[in-house]
Amino acid sequence: DADVTQTPRNRITKTGKRIMLECSQTKGHDRMYWYRQDPGLGLRLIYYSFDVKDINKGEISDGYSVSRQAQAKFSLSLESAIPNQTALYFCATSPQGATETQYFGPGTRLLVL
Amino acid sequence: TQLLEQSPQFLSIQEGENLTVYCNSSSVFSSLQWYRQEPGEGPVLLVTVVTGGEVKKLKRLTFQFGDARKDSSLHITAAQPGDTGLYLCAGGGGGSNYKLTFGKGTLLTVNP
Repeated sequence: DADVTQTPRNRITKTGKRIMLECSQTKGHDRMYWYRQDPGLGLRLIYYSFDVKDINKGEISDGYSVSRQAQAKFSLSLESAIPNQTALYFCATSPQGATETQYFGPGTRLLVL
Repeated sequence: TQLLEQSPQFLSIQEGENLTVYCNSSSVFSSLQWYRQEPGEGPVLLVTVVTGGEVKKLKRLTFQFGDARKDSSLHITAAQPGDTGLYLCAGGGGGSNYKLTFGKGTLLTVNP
């Protein structure tokens, strides 16, 4: 079984709709992250959480919100989706330690029409 | 703001050739990681280097961290079609800042 899972894997939605992307992990890591990946722009950090009570904005948090329901679960919401939020979204986890190695989920491909 | 520049952005070579991918910054990083991403999947860690001048080998892949911890390179010997993918470097800031700064990636295609 995969250590970091994301649901759904693919999603098509319409402008203005609210959608939620979910991430679950069985690695026991405290730190979780949400990224989006766009061609030519690389991976950009949306939000990150170092524990259940800690939520931090990344470099592109506008238009997004998150919820850390438990150590193992970190959800990303688009309150009112817009076409330029069409992208590949990745969840990642990281253990405490001297290096910041991150373990990524398989991604969610989102298309906003 | 820390930035990582990767070059080249695209690389298409024949099976058996050697190649080097570069990752450069004006900032110092506490660690430098290389990830490989295949289509439809998330990035997978290849290696982490933490000491200036460090060299690590993973089969046909050789990773080097610059002496000043501002740059890194990935060298692949005798590339194979299975090496095809997006290679990403990522720098860690260290301390309590457990975030990574990613380069935009090098898309490698190895033709049979």
